[in-house]
Amino acid sequence: DQQVKQNSPSLSVQEGRISILNCDYTNSMFDYFLWYKKYPAEGPTFLISISSIKDKNEDGRFTVFLNKSAKHLSLHIVPSQPGDSAVYFCAASGDFGEGTQLTVNP
Amino acid sequence: NAGVTQTPKFRILKIGQSMTLQCAQDMNHNYMYWYRQDPGMGLKLIYYSVGAGITDKGEVPNGYNVSRSTTEDFPLRLELAAPSQTSVYFCASSPLLSRGHSNQPQHFGDGTRLSIL
Repeated sequence: DQQVKQNSPSLSVQEGRISILNCDYTNSMFDYFLWYKKYPAEGPTFLISISSIKDKNEDGRFTVFLNKSAKHLSLHIVPSQPGDSAVYFCAASGDFGEGTQLTVNP
Repeated sequence: NAGVTQTPKFRILKIGQSMTLQCAQDMNHNYMYWYRQDPGMGLKLIYYSVGAGITDKGEVPNGYNVSRSTTEDFPLRLELAAPSQTSVYFCASSPLLSRGHSNQPQHFGDGTRLSIL
């Protein structure tokens, strides 16, 4: 039973523009949401998290927004850089979404 | 600072063969996990361990076994390899439990790509 879903397998943006990666969840009991970043031939690495009592968490170029009523969160990267090209996973309570491949074009 | 180390990186098995995927961490983490990732899918939890001598099933444990004799090591055993077990396997660790009501991130190894033919 997939409780965390990322419906966009891929996203392509231009360098310097904003990247928005989306994630939906079904379990309203989730307390925390995490984003991981994964480069090819490497394991995922933790990027940023947000508590369910907040609606926004910011860390440098990365901001995560949480909309509890819609059971939706998004990761914003601005400005996007070519080095941000990777697969991004959304996770909650140890459940992972399918991932979104972000490609940032120079 | 090695973190989580997985060996081998790649392996091809024949149907019915057995093998052990190795995982070691040097961060003194109590919690360790095994995931598999199939193409276009998220990570699925196979087994996890909350400490030496204690293991528990995840979402997809069938066809696998684990043991945790030390804090550092968490090997995953495939006894009778089947084509459905072709996947990329990730081992992870965390100082606190990363499931349930937790914001604890996991530290991942670089994965083992396993093909069963």
